[in-house]
Amino acid sequence: SQQGEEDPQALSIQEGENATMNCSYKTSINNLQWYRQNSGRGLVHLILIRSNEREKHSGRLRVTLDTSKKSSSLLITASRAADTASYFCATELRMDSSYKLIFGSGTRLLVRP
Amino acid sequence: DTGVSQDPRHKITKRGQNVTFRCDPISEHNRLYWYRQTLGQGPEFLTYFQNEAQLEKSRLLSDRFSAERPKGSFSTLEIQRTEQGDSAMYLCASSLRGEAAEGETQYFGPGTRLLVL
Repeated sequence: SQQGEEDPQALSIQEGENATMNCSYKTSINNLQWYRQNSGRGLVHLILIRSNEREKHSGRLRVTLDTSKKSSSLLITASRAADTASYFCATELRMDSSYKLIFGSGTRLLVRP
Repeated sequence: DTGVSQDPRHKITKRGQNVTFRCDPISEHNRLYWYRQTLGQGPEFLTYFQNEAQLEKSRLLSDRFSAERPKGSFSTLEIQRTEQGDSAMYLCASSLRGEAAEGETQYFGPGTRLLVL
């Protein structure tokens, strides 16, 4: 079963607008990561936020983490057509010695030129 | 390109046939993971290796599935007697686990898309 659930499942915005995606999870984590996947391709790591961090930035990306609500958000500012992809949150569970990632079902983002 | 390669990229097979996929991780990475992804879903964990040792297998990995990582380098995933339900994207990822348990980035390959007819 998947630990994370993204919201919304699909998002369509105009180029230049901001895109916000949310992720909720169920159990205690070491960290939460966001990945991007272009259609039919592998996953690309975007950003990792540790359980003791609340916010992190990388370029046009801003990630927040609220461990009390077991939720995270990914904000993409000034979106571009090239940002069109599926975005997944993935959690690395606390006390899991394999450090495997548990993925959500993803948000499909369409940025219209 | 993340540095992780998978071969083949696509495989079409008939039900009942055996298939084998290969993953070449980033050379210094000691951990290797296999995931399966079906259409519209996120990847699901199948198994992982620390060096050559297979340390965990998901319940998704039936007896028809076997994975190896000889010498702690490349890995193979074999599916015997394929079923239509095995149709999916099989993704490999590698990472380098250090001493600090603060999280690691997994680098994913492009995947092998399997279609079982």
